[in-house]
Amino acid sequence: DTAVSQTPKYLVTQMGNDKSIKCEQNLGHDTMYWYKQDSKKFLKIMFSYNNKELIINETVPNRFSPKSPDKAHLNLHINSLELGDSAVYFCASSQERTIMNEQFFGPGTRLTVL
Amino acid sequence: GQSLEQPSEVTAVEGAIVQINCTYQTSGFYGLSWYQQHDGGAPTFLSYNALDGLEETGRFSSFLSRSDSYGYLLLQELQMKDSASYFCAVNTDKLIFGTGTRLQVFP
Repeated sequence: DTAVSQTPKYLVTQMGNDKSIKCEQNLGHDTMYWYKQDSKKFLKIMFSYNNKELIINETVPNRFSPKSPDKAHLNLHINSLELGDSAVYFCASSQERTIMNEQFFGPGTRLTVL
Repeated sequence: GQSLEQPSEVTAVEGAIVQINCTYQTSGFYGLSWYQQHDGGAPTFLSYNALDGLEETGRFSSFLSRSDSYGYLLLQELQMKDSASYFCAVNTDKLIFGTGTRLQVFP
C-alpha cells in the first residue's frame, strides 16, 4: 500500500560514523529525489535521479552519495557524519522528469548526530 | 538569485477563511505549487498553477499571477485538521520551497 517508503524512520548516531538511508517507491515513477529539512523546516533539494541517472546534484558535500540500483530505489549514504547533518531527510518521487508533476514524499528519516 | 517569501505564521478560527500569500523571484519559472505538512509528517501536494488564475480543489483554492510573481493559497471553511505548515514552491528545473507558513486553527 505504501507509495514511498524510507528506512529507518529514526537514526541516532555519533559524529564521524557512516550511515545509509533507503528509499523505495512502488508508484512506477521514473524520477526520485532526496530533500533535507532542517530544524527551521526549510526544505531543500539535494539530489534527483531519473531512471537511475543523476540529473540534479545541488551543492551538497561529497560526503553525501546517492545510489540508485533501479528506478524504484534511491538510497542515500552519508560518510563522516557531522553535527550539522542532523535533519529530517525526505525521499520523493514523481511520474516524469518534468517538474510540473506532483511529487510524492516518503515519511522522512529523522537523523540525529551526537 | 531565487527567493520565495511567505508569512511565517497565520492563525484563524474554525469555519473562517484564510489566505496565505507567496511572492517569488526566480528564473526559469514553470509554475507554483503548494504543499501541506503536518507536524511530524511528510509534505503532501495540494495544488499546482502553471497559468494565471484561480484553481479550485474542494475547500482549497490556489491563485497565480505570473506578471506580479505572486500567488496565494485560499483555505475556506477551516477545520482543526487544517492546522499544519503550508509551503509554496516554484517549479523551475527543480522544486524550490518557501520557508513555510504555520497555520493554527482554533476552535
